[in-house]
Amino acid sequence: DQQVKQNSPSLSVQEGRISILNCDYTNSMFDYFLWYKKYPAEGPTFLISISSIKDKNEDGRFTVFLNKSAKHLSLHIVPSQPGDSAVYFCAAKRPNNAGNMLTFGGGTRLMVKP
Amino acid sequence: KAGVTQTPRYLIKTRGQQVTLSCSPISGHRSVSWYQQTPGQGLQFLFEYFSETQRNKGNFPGRFSGRQFSNSRSEMNVSTLELGDSALYLCASSQIGYEQFFGPGTRLTVL
Repeated sequence: DQQVKQNSPSLSVQEGRISILNCDYTNSMFDYFLWYKKYPAEGPTFLISISSIKDKNEDGRFTVFLNKSAKHLSLHIVPSQPGDSAVYFCAAKRPNNAGNMLTFGGGTRLMVKP
Repeated sequence: KAGVTQTPRYLIKTRGQQVTLSCSPISGHRSVSWYQQTPGQGLQFLFEYFSETQRNKGNFPGRFSGRQFSNSRSEMNVSTLELGDSALYLCASSQIGYEQFFGPGTRLTVL
C-alpha cells in the first residue's frame, strides 16, 4: 500500500516559468511533510517542509501548499532554473512520538529547459 | 557544521557475504535513520535509532540490522547478501521533530 504517491514521473518546463510538482497521501496520521531534491548517486537534499497546521510555507523560489481535506500537497518553483533539474521527492512523517521515519513518494523528475 | 558522512562510498560484494556500512551524523543530532533506494522500490525506510535504541523498523528481513553507538554514530549490517540487495543505502540524521539531513550514500553492488 503506497501511502505517499507522486503520480507524475516526469515534468518538463521552460526556464523562467513555474514548476508545479504534486503529491498525494492516504494516511491521515501524517502531520509533517517535506520536499527533497536528489541528483543521481547523491543523497537527497532538504528543500522545504510544512506542518499540517499550515496550508502554505514559502522559502525564496520554493512554496509548498498543503490541502489537508484533499490529502494533497504541491511544490511550486518560481522562476524555474536549469539548475533545478533533478528528481524531487515528497515525504511524510507522523507525529514526533512515533519517531522520525519518513515515507517517500516515488519521485518526479523535473527537467528545466534553457 | 559538517554534514552527514557515510563510509565507504562504494562497495562490491558477492552473494552470501556480509557487509557493514557506517554513518556519522551531524554533530548534536541524536536520531539516525537508514533508507534503501532501488530503481524499482524507490526510497524505503530501513530503521531508525535514537539514543542507541532502535525506535522504528521498516519492512525488511532480519538479515538487515543496525546499531547506534553512544556518540550517535551508526552502523548497518546486511548478512547473507542477495543480488536484490544491490542499492544505494542512505543515512539521515536529525534532531527530534525536525528535518532529516541525508548523507551521500553507500552504493552497494552484489555480484
